[in-house]
Amino acid sequence: NAGVTQTPKFQVLKTGQSMTLQCAQDMNHEYMSWYRQDPGMGLRLIHYSVGAGITDQGEVPNGYNVSRSTTEDFPLRLLSAAPSQTSVYFCASGQGGESSEQFFGPGTRLTVL
Amino acid sequence: GQNIDQPTEMTATEGAIVQINCTYQTSGFNGLFWYQQHAGEAPTFLSYNVLDGLEEKGRFSSFLSRSKGYSYLLLKELQMKASASYLCAVRDRDYQLIWGAGTKLIIKP
Repeated sequence: NAGVTQTPKFQVLKTGQSMTLQCAQDMNHEYMSWYRQDPGMGLRLIHYSVGAGITDQGEVPNGYNVSRSTTEDFPLRLLSAAPSQTSVYFCASGQGGESSEQFFGPGTRLTVL
Repeated sequence: GQNIDQPTEMTATEGAIVQINCTYQTSGFNGLFWYQQHAGEAPTFLSYNVLDGLEEKGRFSSFLSRSKGYSYLLLKELQMKASASYLCAVRDRDYQLIWGAGTKLIIKP
């Protein structure tokens, strides 16, 4: 099993550009989520999904869109990149039970100039 | 608001024992997680506590007191490869995870 995969690993954008961060998992997990991690702060939830066709907003959803057309894939779209979106982005998946751990992808390091 | 507090950085000696504390104020409580994150890598799961008490797993243990809003992670027989950040996260009443900023553990020979 590959686990959770993310592409790209690194990306540099100019302000106003749009792009999609890809995330896929092969563990048949229902729950998937996107976080951003900034220095000195905890992971912050952007969007999450409890199953195909179902998405919801997290703590910091503005400027990002998601979709979940299949159980495996959960892409994150930046609509119009801003320097404040410079961060490390992690995708995670889990079985969704109370004690369920989350499995994280390797992360995407995004810089917006 | 919801808040998770952890020390920013700790230093310990190889072979020693270190305790990393986590205090939380959240809207409800549905479990507490500890994750390890090496620099430049993804977090990986260490432990889960939902009832008061100590959970032991080999070289590390995790403790929870729900009445005090307090947990700690105890790492024993420290090895150099345990140098990493340790993240505390609490699942609130809506089953969302609230994350602390992490404790960077530096291990010296």
